[in-house]
Amino acid sequence: DQQVKQNSPSLSVQEGRISILNCDYTNSMFDYFLWYKKYPAEGPTFLISISSIKDKNEDGRFTVFLNKSAKHLSLHIVPSQPGDSAVYFCAASNNYGQNFVFGPGTRLSVLP
Amino acid sequence: DAGVIQSPRHEVTEMGQEVTLRCKPISGHDYLFWYRQTMMRGLELLIYFNNNVPIDDSGMPEDRFSAKMPNASFSTLKIQPSEPRDSAVYFCASSFLPGQGAHEQYFGPGTRLTVT
Repeated sequence: DQQVKQNSPSLSVQEGRISILNCDYTNSMFDYFLWYKKYPAEGPTFLISISSIKDKNEDGRFTVFLNKSAKHLSLHIVPSQPGDSAVYFCAASNNYGQNFVFGPGTRLSVLP
Repeated sequence: DAGVIQSPRHEVTEMGQEVTLRCKPISGHDYLFWYRQTMMRGLELLIYFNNNVPIDDSGMPEDRFSAKMPNASFSTLKIQPSEPRDSAVYFCASSFLPGQGAHEQYFGPGTRLTVT
């Protein structure tokens, strides 16, 4: 039973356009949500996070939106750059930062 | 800081052999996590420690897997005996004591294990 779902295994976007990566979760006990980026042969690196008390968090070109009623979050990358090409993982945890659950990942390709 | 350090980066072994993976967390971090990544199951949490004490090992697949953290700067994940289905990339991650705005984990580069 997948508690964190990323239904799009892959996404291709033109450079300069917006990339939107989606994530759905089923456990209403999750309080904290994170996005990680992973390049080949490297470990995942933290990108941006959001607490359940917020509905938006922005950091430069990256914005995460949270819709608690729909149990849905999304990561927007604007403008997309070729260096953004990577696998993006959505993750969720309780408010104590324990019991991390990762989604299966979405492979983003930004085409020049 | 050098970040989370894992060794070896690659390990190839024969079925039935013992395998030991090593991890040095970031200094000052209170939590240490072991993950396994496979194509079929994605990134799975195996076990995590808080202040060197195992807190949740419910993700450890079988008794063949064991993990220890003898001190704050070192942890091992051991598989004995190893089987081909254990082939995966194993990641170690560490974090500060979780709290508001401090949940992010820092991952090592991973150990790619191949069991033939």
